[in-house]
Amino acid sequence: QVQLVQSGAEVKKPGASVKVSCKASGYTFTSYDINWVRQATGQGLEWMGWMNPNSGNTGYAQKFQGRVTMTRNTSISTAYMELSSLRSEDTAVYYCARVSWDSYGFLTFPYWGQGTLVTVSS
Amino acid sequence: DIQMTQSPSSLSASVGDRVTITCRASQSISSYLNWYQQKPGKAPKLLIYAASSLQSGVPSRFSGSGSGTDFTLTISSLQPEDFATYYCQQSYSTLRWTFGQGTKLEIK
Repeated sequence: QVQLVQSGAEVKKPGASVKVSCKASGYTFTSYDINWVRQATGQGLEWMGWMNPNSGNTGYAQKFQGRVTMTRNTSISTAYMELSSLRSEDTAVYYCARVSWDSYGFLTFPYWGQGTLVTVSS
Repeated sequence: DIQMTQSPSSLSASVGDRVTITCRASQSISSYLNWYQQKPGKAPKLLIYAASSLQSGVPSRFSGSGSGTDFTLTISSLQPEDFATYYCQQSYSTLRWTFGQGTKLEIK
């Protein structure tokens, strides 16, 4: 079965960077895009960007351009999301999500990681 | 980017009630609309895709409708496990995914 297992919680100081990992299993890692979504406490879901694990191509939400980098290591079926210049407003749970599609080409996020809490505090 | 607006932001209802949540897109997205359910401390769960297609394993009391800019999620008879937060998501622009702000469904 498809599984996405994320790295553990992180505590960072303002101005630092954080790198969250998302290890995939149960499918061919390079065949499906990975997206990253975050959720601040008590807030809604915020899409951050996507990565094609085959090509390494990425696309980021404008809000995060210049601060986020999404990469992968295909040899270990793992995707990474690095966010730099952290501020308190970046405190949130970060999720990876794998895309899927039906026979008509409708795309969804049916598979999610368990989430990684990143706390930014001095 | 395509903006998604849900209403209401919160809703109180009782077990057995029929409830409807609305999602409006800032431009036409045809039927490229998904619905998710999220419970506290858990990742979102896909309920409906392509505006009206039920994801495998999701109870038939959930249904979706709409196209263009206006969409609805309906729960025909609320069960205790349905109290959660619901999000719509447009899949029309998959290089710029966007979610609605969420609708929290609470027990009356």
